[in-house]
Amino acid sequence: DPKIIQKPKYLVAVTGSEKILICEQYLGHNAMYWYRQSAKKPLEFMFSYSYQKLMDNQTASSRFQPQSSKKNHLDLQITALKPDDSATYFCASSPPWGGSAEQFFGPGTRLTVL
Amino acid sequence: GDSVTQTEGLVTLTKGLPVMLNCTYQTTYSPFLFWYVQHLNEAPKLLLKSSTDNKRTEHQGFYATLHKSSSSFHLQKSSVQLSDSALYFCALSHNTNTGKLTFGDGTVLTVKP
Repeated sequence: DPKIIQKPKYLVAVTGSEKILICEQYLGHNAMYWYRQSAKKPLEFMFSYSYQKLMDNQTASSRFQPQSSKKNHLDLQITALKPDDSATYFCASSPPWGGSAEQFFGPGTRLTVL
Repeated sequence: GDSVTQTEGLVTLTKGLPVMLNCTYQTTYSPFLFWYVQHLNEAPKLLLKSSTDNKRTEHQGFYATLHKSSSSFHLQKSSVQLSDSALYFCALSHNTNTGKLTFGDGTVLTVKP
């Protein structure tokens, strides 16, 4: 059974629209993250959450908004989509908080903005 | 800020040969270093990690030693297999940050028969 679920697997959107990327983890982890992978920047940290609290935000744009409705959920809302937002978005989680913790990645959502 | 450098973008080898993928890093904090492997259309998975200076860590035939004196954490394997073909990322973290992993640009390893 998949331990980290990301929905949808593929997403096509038009410029200017809004989408929500879903992430649920069933590993019992307290920390969750979002990363983005594109041709320009292979793996780029976006956000980290611990116990549903935002710990770090490295995105330059407020168009990206994480949403944590439950401890094991961390969705990503993207508004006013641009073609440059096209990328694969990975959700990740880790057990203990701290720099040494292994992060487990979900299968990703591949977003294409036309 | 933190940074990770992987000098090889693409490495192509014949099966059975040894490989070394380079990784150097910069941080002002005590580092944790990771190697992640990503097969085609899959999620990245942890291969190795270390925070202990000069201690070799091994997993699935791969090994790496963190050298803080040279800020390096090179990944090695003595005999590559076809199944090792993948994208390899070196990543950096430390206890003073917020869980952020800083990744290098990645090295594509292609193993030929």
